[in-house]
Amino acid sequence: SQTIHQWPATLVQPVGSPLSLECTVEGTSNPNLYWYRQAAGRGLQLLFYSVGIGQISSEVPQNLSASRPQDRQFILSSKKLLLSDSGFYLCAWRTSGAGYEQYFGPGTRLTVT
Amino acid sequence: GDSVTQMEGPVTLSEEAFLTINCTYTATGYPSLFWYVQYPGEGLQLLLKATKADDKGSNKGFEATYRKETTSFHLEKGSVQVSDSAVYFCAPSGQGGKLIFGQGTELSVKP
Repeated sequence: SQTIHQWPATLVQPVGSPLSLECTVEGTSNPNLYWYRQAAGRGLQLLFYSVGIGQISSEVPQNLSASRPQDRQFILSSKKLLLSDSGFYLCAWRTSGAGYEQYFGPGTRLTVT
Repeated sequence: GDSVTQMEGPVTLSEEAFLTINCTYTATGYPSLFWYVQYPGEGLQLLLKATKADDKGSNKGFEATYRKETTSFHLEKGSVQVSDSAVYFCAPSGQGGKLIFGQGTELSVKP
């Protein structure tokens, strides 16, 4: 069966510091991968998605970036965090070429102070 | 563009009450429709889905029917439990295989 991991689970970082969040998927090959952000009390905002290694599409211009160095690894980064980057970051995957349902990881709670 | 509208929350019900959470959408083409549930501090879990008109998705006592003529996918449950307290998201599929998420509806069930 497929499993998706995210780490860290929680993170407190000062403004201006760098960020690296990691997501890995097990039990599937060539998944489509997604990064979402959820602000407190709000819905999900799609940040990035990837259909393959090295292929990244950005949905919202901001100071975040994403990379996919391996088939089942998706990384979200920032060189300098802003207060507005605080939120709950969710990674998701779906089977390429199959149904549209996405499966979510447990999330990373990021607080920028 | 593609969009989804959910009823505003929070919705507060007593245990064993009937639940309806309304969802309407605007989407290009023929979307698949999903309901997700998010418990506090956790990621989203797929609750149910429907992929064509008049399909009924069901899971854990929850049901939703794909109504193409009204572009709706309302979530229902006949008898809610305290453990159903969570945030519920309606999500049609959009262009490029993306999901379009609503703002979510918070449900609170009191004993």
